[in-house]
Amino acid sequence: AQSVTQLGSHVSVSEGALVLLRCNYSSSVPPYLFWYVQYPNQGLQLLLKYTSAATLVKGINGFEAEFKKSETSFHLTKPSAHMSDAAEYFCAVSVRSGGYNKLIFGAGTRLAVHP
Amino acid sequence: DVKVTQSSRYLVKRTGEKVFLECVQDMDHENMFWYRQDPGLGLRLIYFSYDVKMKEKGDIPEGYSVSREKKERFSLILESASTNQTSMYLCASSFNPGRMNTEAFFGQGTRLTVV
Repeated sequence: AQSVTQLGSHVSVSEGALVLLRCNYSSSVPPYLFWYVQYPNQGLQLLLKYTSAATLVKGINGFEAEFKKSETSFHLTKPSAHMSDAAEYFCAVSVRSGGYNKLIFGAGTRLAVHP
Repeated sequence: DVKVTQSSRYLVKRTGEKVFLECVQDMDHENMFWYRQDPGLGLRLIYFSYDVKMKEKGDIPEGYSVSREKKERFSLILESASTNQTSMYLCASSFNPGRMNTEAFFGQGTRLTVV
């Protein structure tokens, strides 16, 4: 069964430091992968998605993710953290179920940014 | 912009009550989903619907039912609320169920407390 695993439930970085949030997938077919962000008391917002057109995917707010098939990874990065990046981040994979597609989410990583 | 609207941000209900959570989307999406979000568990799919009057069980359907009488509206029903159903509930919708790379759009969430 297809799934995603996020390594690290909490990540803390200094403002201006590199952000690295890890996501590994399990899939027997080429996966369709997504990163979402959730700010406090809000729903989820799409950051970026991988659809096999390019291995390096750029998203909103300066985030990007690189698909590495050899490592079954789709880690999210941002060169320089900002205080406003503090949020919870979810990796997700699109799976086929009974002829329809649905998103399966990882457990999430909460990012804290300190001055 | 796609808008997914959940009828309540916060709800407090008593054990044994029948609870209705309503969700409306304005983009004519075929797919609609209900997830529940709990700390450390990420988002878990309760039910999804790919067309009017059609529904499929997700990973945790026990204790829940759904209704989709109109394309834009998807309701989650807790037949007899219990304290272990205290959670954040997120509704989502997506376009074109045949494509794997289609992202879901989320509502703001309903934080339900069962006392």
